Amino acid sequence: AQSVTQPDIHITVSEGASLELRCNYSYGATPYLFWYVQSPGQGLQLLLKYFSGDTLVQGIKGFEAEFKRSQSSFNLRKPSVHWSDAAEYFCAVGARTNAGKSTFGDGTTLTVKP
Amino acid sequence: DTEVTQTPKHLVMGMTNKKSLKCEQHMGHRAMYWYKQKAKKPPELMFVYSYEKLSINESVPSRFSPECPNSSLLNLHLHALQPEDSALYLCASSQPGGDRGNANYGYTFGSGTRLTVV
Repeated sequence: AQSVTQPDIHITVSEGASLELRCNYSYGATPYLFWYVQSPGQGLQLLLKYFSGDTLVQGIKGFEAEFKRSQSSFNLRKPSVHWSDAAEYFCAVGARTNAGKSTFGDGTTLTVKP
Repeated sequence: DTEVTQTPKHLVMGMTNKKSLKCEQHMGHRAMYWYKQKAKKPPELMFVYSYEKLSINESVPSRFSPECPNSSLLNLHLHALQPEDSALYLCASSQPGGDRGNANYGYTFGSGTRLTVV
């Protein structure tokens, strides 16, 4: 069975500082990996995805993530955080079978200090 | 059009009511999903439709009844709900991928329906 762990429940960074959100997954083969962002009261928005190939993937809003098979990790990074980045971030793993079912981590709440 | 539209945005219903949530997408996606999200929790999968056929039902109680009338529309019919069913209901769509069209290339979510059962 696939699963995702986001070790950090809550992270606070200062505006302009760099950011790294951690994600570890469990899956028997190479998974599809995703990061989503959710602002309060809104749906989720896809930030980026990894299927295969280059292990460093670029996404929207200046985010990037690196797939590390040896560590079963897919950490999200941003070099300089903006106040508008404050939100809930979800890592998800999607099976290559099973009708496109994605399993989400519990999420990390990002607070940005001025 | 790169949106998934959900209506209504808010819904309050009594435990004996019948109501429906609607979802529409015009991106040509052939997989559509219903997720339920409680406060401060991740989305939980309820149903998956792939090419207009129900492919996954995650043991959802029968008081929730999904329907996919065509490739653009997804409905969730609600009847005799309980207060614990109050949540944000999210619709998503994706383009099936993988070797047999049974993976997803990332979801496009709607903004959700905030459901309160009284």
